[in-house]
Amino acid sequence: DARVTQTPRDKVTEMGQEVTMRCQPILGHNTVFWYRQTMMQGLELLAYFRNRAPLDDSGMPKDRFSAEMPDATLATLKIQPSEPRDSAVYFCASARGGAEETQYFGPGTRLLVL
Amino acid sequence: GNSVTQMEGPVTLSEEAFLTINCTYTATGYPSLFWYVQYPGEGLQLLLKATKADDKGSNKGFEATYRKETTSFHLEKGSVQVSDSAVYFCALGKAAGNKLTFGGGTRVLVKP
Repeated sequence: DARVTQTPRDKVTEMGQEVTMRCQPILGHNTVFWYRQTMMQGLELLAYFRNRAPLDDSGMPKDRFSAEMPDATLATLKIQPSEPRDSAVYFCASARGGAEETQYFGPGTRLLVL
Repeated sequence: GNSVTQMEGPVTLSEEAFLTINCTYTATGYPSLFWYVQYPGEGLQLLLKATKADDKGSNKGFEATYRKETTSFHLEKGSVQVSDSAVYFCALGKAAGNKLTFGGGTRVLVKP
């Protein structure tokens, strides 16, 4: 049963520290998404990639967030420096190309910035 | 732009009650429509989908019909169980990029 994996599952850090979240998409999926979920804002799309190239990162604060796909099996989301308002659950999802294709979500990384 | 509006929760029901969650959308062209479900502490997972007008998606006793004339995709289940307690998200996808636009989510609580 293929799944999207994310690490770490939980992260507590202090304001100003760098945070790196990792995602392994399902093998054969060429599209990867990063979402952020908070009680106040709901589910927000931060960025997404097709064939490892960034297609849209307009939802991401550019000054502190960066997203990359070093290879087809790894996507990373970094926050530097982190701030308390970044506290949220971050989800990675992967899909084959096409609007009718299902996005498969990972279990999320729960981030708390103190 | 694209948008999805769904009824706010929480929706509290008794077991075996009928559930309806309303979802309407705004989009150009012919989007695909989805319902995702999020159980406590987990990521979202696909519940059902429909890719063209008048299609009916169904899964686990849930159903939704793609109504282009009313731009709606309401989710229904005839008899809910405690295990259906979750947050339900309506979403639309466009052919241009596989990017989904999500509604705000509706929390459903089913009591025994």
